[in-house]
Amino acid sequence: DGGITQSPKYLFRKEGQNVTLSCEQNLNHDAMYWYRQDPGQGLRLIYYSQIVNDFQKGDIAEGYSVSREKKESFPLTVTSAQKNPTAFYLCASTPRGDLPYGYTFGSGTRLTVV
Amino acid sequence: GESVGLHLPTLSVQEGDNSIINCAYSNSASDYFIWYKQESGKGPQFIIDIRSNMDKRQGQRVTVLLNKTVKHLSLQIAATQPGDSAVYFCAEAMDSSYKLIFGSGTRLLVRP
Repeated sequence: DGGITQSPKYLFRKEGQNVTLSCEQNLNHDAMYWYRQDPGQGLRLIYYSQIVNDFQKGDIAEGYSVSREKKESFPLTVTSAQKNPTAFYLCASTPRGDLPYGYTFGSGTRLTVV
Repeated sequence: GESVGLHLPTLSVQEGDNSIINCAYSNSASDYFIWYKQESGKGPQFIIDIRSNMDKRQGQRVTVLLNKTVKHLSLQIAATQPGDSAVYFCAEAMDSSYKLIFGSGTRLLVRP
């Protein structure tokens, strides 16, 4: 079955540590996205990539980094510069990077700072 | 445990009743609107979408209504079931953009 796989489901980070969240899709979608979800708020865009080897900052990119070396993969690194990283992180993909149709979401990673 | 939706508005309905979830969107130029369902600890699932040239669209047990005059979107769920309990989000977008703008969501609780 085609879909998006996020791992791990739960992740704990110590203060000052960098951690990387994995996102893999086998939908042959061009575009991939990372969103952050906090209680009582909608999804906020962190980074997006419309094509391999290219990515852009979203609305809340500070303290995060990404790479897009393969079409299937879009890992997100939460760096120590992110002051409040505890949140639910969602990865998504769309067939094309220039249209808002066909969003497919992964099942999310819950990151907690301990 | 799941903490998404702790501070969200909540709609509580009796099983078998109809539910209406409302959403005010922000951009009068948006062309495309979507409703998502998010269960605890999971990613959003597509429910139904509607384009700005339509007022109403029906799916299986769900209907979306669009009122562009007041920038209002609603999701109607017929004969609500316990499995419908979740957080529901609306999202809007322009055809010229990849970007979805999400609302903050409403929690639907179905009483047996």
